[in-house]
Amino acid sequence: GEDVEQSLFLSVREGDSSVINCTYTDSSSTYLYWYKQEPGAGLQLLTYIFSNMDMKQDQRLTVLLNKKDKHLSLRIADTQTGDSAIYFCAESIVGSASKIIFGSGTRLSIRP
Amino acid sequence: ETGVTQSPTHLIKTRGQQVTLRCSSQSGHNTVSWYQQALGQGPQFIFQYYREEENGRGNFPPRFSGLQFPNYSSELNVNALELDDSALYLCASSLAGRATDTEAFFGQGTRLTVV
Repeated sequence: GEDVEQSLFLSVREGDSSVINCTYTDSSSTYLYWYKQEPGAGLQLLTYIFSNMDMKQDQRLTVLLNKKDKHLSLRIADTQTGDSAIYFCAESIVGSASKIIFGSGTRLSIRP
Repeated sequence: ETGVTQSPTHLIKTRGQQVTLRCSSQSGHNTVSWYQQALGQGPQFIFQYYREEENGRGNFPPRFSGLQFPNYSSELNVNALELDDSALYLCASSLAGRATDTEAFFGQGTRLTVV
């Protein structure tokens, strides 16, 4: 079945890099997403990667996909206090881009 | 700004009542999905509509129902509300077709509180 797993918490020092990891089970996924959610707010799409790609870079964000191991990671360079939020890893399946399976979210906290 | 709008933003209902939530898809999108996000959890897929027909459903009881209109706007209806229905309800739209399958965009959600 479809399942997305990620660790619940991550704490990093301001200015360091944050790496949030995720594993998924559905090999037919087309899009793999990273969403950011701040307290009391909706979901903000940070970045996404097609399942036939290995890497995508967008300013401070780098997404790495290991399709063999079904492992997805999000690296945030030079982490700032404004990056404090919950980050959701998610996948959507072929032909159904808005049927998305979410992980339980990783709460990123920033230490001064 | 995703172009997906939801109304209302907040709502308080009494147990046993019925509620209708609304979503306006991004222009040109033909597919909409609804999600329930309980406090402290990730969003859970409720169902998806494609060209006005239900096209996939998650593990939610029949009292959760939906509609998609010819202009691709959508409603989520919940009957016989229970306290556990209290959550943030999100809709997402995308464009699906044989040669096209765009990424999904979410609205800001409707926060429903059942008392």
